[in-house]
Amino acid sequence: GQQLNQSPQSMFIQEGEDVSMNCTSSSIFNTWLWYKQDPGEGPVLLIALYKAGELTSNGRLTAQFGITRKDSFLNISASIPSDVGIYFCAGQRGNQFYFGTGTSLTVIP
Amino acid sequence: KAGVTQTPRYLIKTRGQQVTLSCSPISGHRSVSWYQQTPGQGLQFLFEYFSETQRNKGNFPGRFSGRQFSNSRSEMNVSTLELGDSALYLCASSLIALGDTEAFFGQGTRLTVV
Repeated sequence: GQQLNQSPQSMFIQEGEDVSMNCTSSSIFNTWLWYKQDPGEGPVLLIALYKAGELTSNGRLTAQFGITRKDSFLNISASIPSDVGIYFCAGQRGNQFYFGTGTSLTVIP
Repeated sequence: KAGVTQTPRYLIKTRGQQVTLSCSPISGHRSVSWYQQTPGQGLQFLFEYFSETQRNKGNFPGRFSGRQFSNSRSEMNVSTLELGDSALYLCASSLIALGDTEAFFGQGTRLTVV
């Protein structure tokens, strides 16, 4: 199925640094979701966004639903080693979800 | 409230065999979607079931099939296994029929075809 454009593909950062990643699409979505996946496990839902312009935080994570409804951003502040993993965005439209290609995050202690 | 349960967690099969994977959604969720994930790849959508009916289907060959039972539990079957079918198979459940909602994933079934 359709995949969203997610960038960057990978990031290598020092512990304590902030992280930003985003997803874009040519189509609008009703809901944007952000997931984190550890190796060999299923993705875990981090943040859900329901309205254009919405800004939502979950601890050190902050995500925004773009005004155009075609993009979303995820920021992680003051990264720690356990933030390592693959982050996926997902857009929901109708009765289907569309996923980004993932951002692999490596945090160097 | 129990999460999404997938069984088995790990499976090793030989080429040509068939395999059945199971997914029990969160209680009350009626939509179950299946995805294939291979190293370096994103989530490839297989199909989605809602109220025992397949509503959406991805671009996978007919060897991949599924079904959903009246209790919303879903099974996925892959026949005539190929080496390239080795992957992490994930299912996700959601209310979805009500519009704005979220999808929750199980831990996945790691299938290795040898």
